[in-house]
Amino acid sequence: QLQLQESGPGLVKPSETLSLTCTVSGGSISSSSYYWGWIRQPPGKGLEWIGSIYYSGSTYYNPSLKSRVTISVDTSKNQFSLKLSSVTAADTAVYYCARQGRYYDILTGYYKNAFDIWGQGTMVTVSS
Amino acid sequence: QSALTQPASVSGSPGQSITISCTGTSSDVGSYNLVSWYQQHPGKAPKLMIYEVSKRPSGVSNRFSGSKSGNTASLTISGLQAEDEADYYCCSYAGSSTWVVFGGGTKLTVL
Repeated sequence: QLQLQESGPGLVKPSETLSLTCTVSGGSISSSSYYWGWIRQPPGKGLEWIGSIYYSGSTYYNPSLKSRVTISVDTSKNQFSLKLSSVTAADTAVYYCARQGRYYDILTGYYKNAFDIWGQGTMVTVSS
Repeated sequence: QSALTQPASVSGSPGQSITISCTGTSSDVGSYNLVSWYQQHPGKAPKLMIYEVSKRPSGVSNRFSGSKSGNTASLTISGLQAEDEADYYCCSYAGSSTWVVFGGGTKLTVL
């Protein structure tokens, strides 16, 4: 069955760039039925959507993070990646990657649906 | 401050039913039938429990049900069990600029 696994440094210095990769196994990232997303959760707090990408490279970002976020996809490696620049302590969180459904309405087009498969999450701490 | 409003906590006794609300606006919950609900146990990744307002993924107990009225979505858990104690989050599609919004989460305590 499809599995997602996050990887990357657990410690990032303030003002630097956080970089994480999500490896998809047991299925293809190049499916027309899904987006691939990043969600984070600061310690003791709720979930925050960071952004999503379609295998073609189309990206969709949380407006509050858009100026600092870049999400990319490598279909040859079945991976997608997150870069978050100019990090501060407020970016300390567990970062999850997840598969997101692509809902189609015959009249109005495509929409972002639920996150149905999640990675286990990786803790990233921003500290000097 | 989260885009969708949930109660911070709810509680119930085993066997009872509880409902968690998720209030948005006409730009998200009110406009799209793309509300989902997630269960999260401590230290674990969220698990999808409900999608498209009221649909259950394969393997999710039929004790979990979802509904929507206007700008408010609801998750109902019937026949509460100890294992249902967890945090629950709602999520909605929010249009072609905001895209996706989550609720702040609700802690369910089974007494």
